[in-house]
Amino acid sequence: DTAVSQTPKYLVTQMGNDKSIKCEQNLGHDTMYWYKQDSKKFLKIMFSYNNKELIINETVPNRFSPKSPDKAHLNLHINSLELGDSAVYFCASSQEAGSGNTIYFGEGSWLTVV
Amino acid sequence: GNSVTQMEGPVTLSEEAFLTINCTYTATGYPSLFWYVQYPGEGLQLLLKATKADDKGSNKGFEATYRKETTSFHLEKGSVQVSDSAVYFCALKGTGFQKLVFGTGTRLLVSP
Repeated sequence: DTAVSQTPKYLVTQMGNDKSIKCEQNLGHDTMYWYKQDSKKFLKIMFSYNNKELIINETVPNRFSPKSPDKAHLNLHINSLELGDSAVYFCASSQEAGSGNTIYFGEGSWLTVV
Repeated sequence: GNSVTQMEGPVTLSEEAFLTINCTYTATGYPSLFWYVQYPGEGLQLLLKATKADDKGSNKGFEATYRKETTSFHLEKGSVQVSDSAVYFCALKGTGFQKLVFGTGTRLLVSP
């Protein structure tokens, strides 16, 4: 059983389009995250939700809007896509937000904007 | 703020060689430390972790010891295999609702 699953895995789209990436976790975790990995493999957090409440919101353009309908889901919607949005987006989850709690990652969504 | 510094890659080794990937950190309080691995075209997998000073995390022949005095969490393996070729990320997480902070990643290439 996949613990953290995200769809689609690959997405190629044109500049200016709006797209969504969906994420679901079946681990019963309270906290979910979105991370972005750029072309140099650098990983940076974008958002974090705990029990559907936004707790971390890094400096991300407001074209990116996360939505958490329940604590098992955290979707990422991106408006007016730009070339620089091309990256791998990872969804993740953990049991609460304690320092020792392992964060489990999905397999990533490879977004290419052309 | 919290930060992690990893050695630059790529690290190129022959099969059965000894591996060390250096990782040092800067943090307030008592963070937990992690190593994640990313195989080509795949997502991030937890390799090992340590939650307090002097703890040793180990998995699949890899080890790392949480050294508070040197603020380090170096990854080691006694004998690498071709299948270990991947990108390795050192990461740190503070207490409470703090984000997981990653190092820049170190690519390991193991040749037969």
